[in-house]
Amino acid sequence: GQQVMQIPQYQHVQEGEDFTTYCNSSTTLSNIQWYKQRPGGHPVFLIQLVKSGEVKKQKRLTFQFGEAKKNSSLHITATQTTDVGTYFCAGLQGSGYALNFGKGTSLLVTP
Amino acid sequence: DSGVTQTPKHLITATGQRVTLRCSPRSGDLSVYWYQQSLDQGLQFLIQYYNGEERAKGNILERFSAQQFPDLHSELNLSSLELGDSALYFCASRGPGSNEKLFFGSGTQLSVL
Repeated sequence: GQQVMQIPQYQHVQEGEDFTTYCNSSTTLSNIQWYKQRPGGHPVFLIQLVKSGEVKKQKRLTFQFGEAKKNSSLHITATQTTDVGTYFCAGLQGSGYALNFGKGTSLLVTP
Repeated sequence: DSGVTQTPKHLITATGQRVTLRCSPRSGDLSVYWYQQSLDQGLQFLIQYYNGEERAKGNILERFSAQQFPDLHSELNLSSLELGDSALYFCASRGPGSNEKLFFGSGTQLSVL
């Protein structure tokens, strides 16, 4: 079945540094979604990518979907303490309904 | 507030017992997803229902079962509980389109002692 792998598992940065998390799927995805979970909270939707090679930006966050639609990345420029949390990618395969999440990357930002 | 309601928020029980977790989706959402979150396994997809019918099954144990009722609320039943079942269980609902995002509830923290 479809597996979605995320690296790194943890990342600790100083405030102001950049951060990137990578997501790879064993199969081609029809779309990929990104979620953020703050400590003690629940996952909250950030963005969805559908097209091959798609790039979307949300302020300091840049999301990319690979040309083969098997990988994706989230890049945060100049991290802030409010960026702390776990970032998950989730992939939808073909016409399936199951949204499979990666294990997430936990980001810690120290001032 | 996501609009998805999960009860109870916390549940403490003993091994061998059976519990029921409840989820009410957002108004108008027909799809309900259940996920298990533990420290070492991330968010594991368990099962999905759409308008009362099972649509997709993930890594759900045979000791676990779920259903979605006519009023669209869903219940996840966990039986013969083991220590390893201790986890945060999330329910999420999804809009009608195939590319809709998930809205998660606040979760039920299950502790099996």
